[in-house]
Amino acid sequence: KAGVTQTPRYLIKTRGQQVTLSCSPISGHRSVSWYQQTPGQGLQFLFEYFSETQRNKGNFPGRFSGRQFSNSRSEMNVSTLELGDSALYLCASSLGDRAGGNEKLFFGSGTQLSVL
Amino acid sequence: AQTVTQSQPEMSVQEAETVTLSCTYDTSESDYYLFWYKQPPSRQMILVIRQEAYKQQNATENRFSVNFQKAAKSFSLKISDSQLGDAAMYFCAYRTPFDTGANSKLTFGKGITLSVRP
Repeated sequence: KAGVTQTPRYLIKTRGQQVTLSCSPISGHRSVSWYQQTPGQGLQFLFEYFSETQRNKGNFPGRFSGRQFSNSRSEMNVSTLELGDSALYLCASSLGDRAGGNEKLFFGSGTQLSVL
Repeated sequence: AQTVTQSQPEMSVQEAETVTLSCTYDTSESDYYLFWYKQPPSRQMILVIRQEAYKQQNATENRFSVNFQKAAKSFSLKISDSQLGDAAMYFCAYRTPFDTGANSKLTFGKGITLSVRP
């Protein structure tokens, strides 16, 4: 069974540009969540999608958005990039059991975004 | 708001020895879940162990076990018989159930870098 796939692995952008990151979950998983990892702030939750609907949202500005498609693949978009957006962006997939919360998340290897 | 604190940024252990990684958290919820995730140099986070707050018995997974002290809001990870492959960054994390009405997001600590000496 293929794991969680994130593309691209590395990305270099300049300030003011926008970027789209992609995440393909494990087959059968309906939940995809996104995290930003930086040395200073650590791992921070961005948002979670389940069956094409945003289920949870972290404390990030509106420049950060996402969506999920009918095949559960998800994209994350950051508009008007700032230097502080340089980070490793991780996505994770899970079955998305509504009654749970303790289910295992399967992570991708991340997209390393550098904003110059 | 829930917070997770890992006060030790780095730890080192001799191969085959035992090491304990500390984690404390703050919450007003009574029902929640706690996790330890490992992030090796490949960057891919891997679940090590998880604990339901309503369970008094500490979770174990082979060489990994936790010491869950609910009243003290403490959740430490013990790694026995440390191996070179255990070298990684370890994150403690907290989450409330989906059906509590609270924003059920995974909150991570800052992480601890564990090195294993041969």
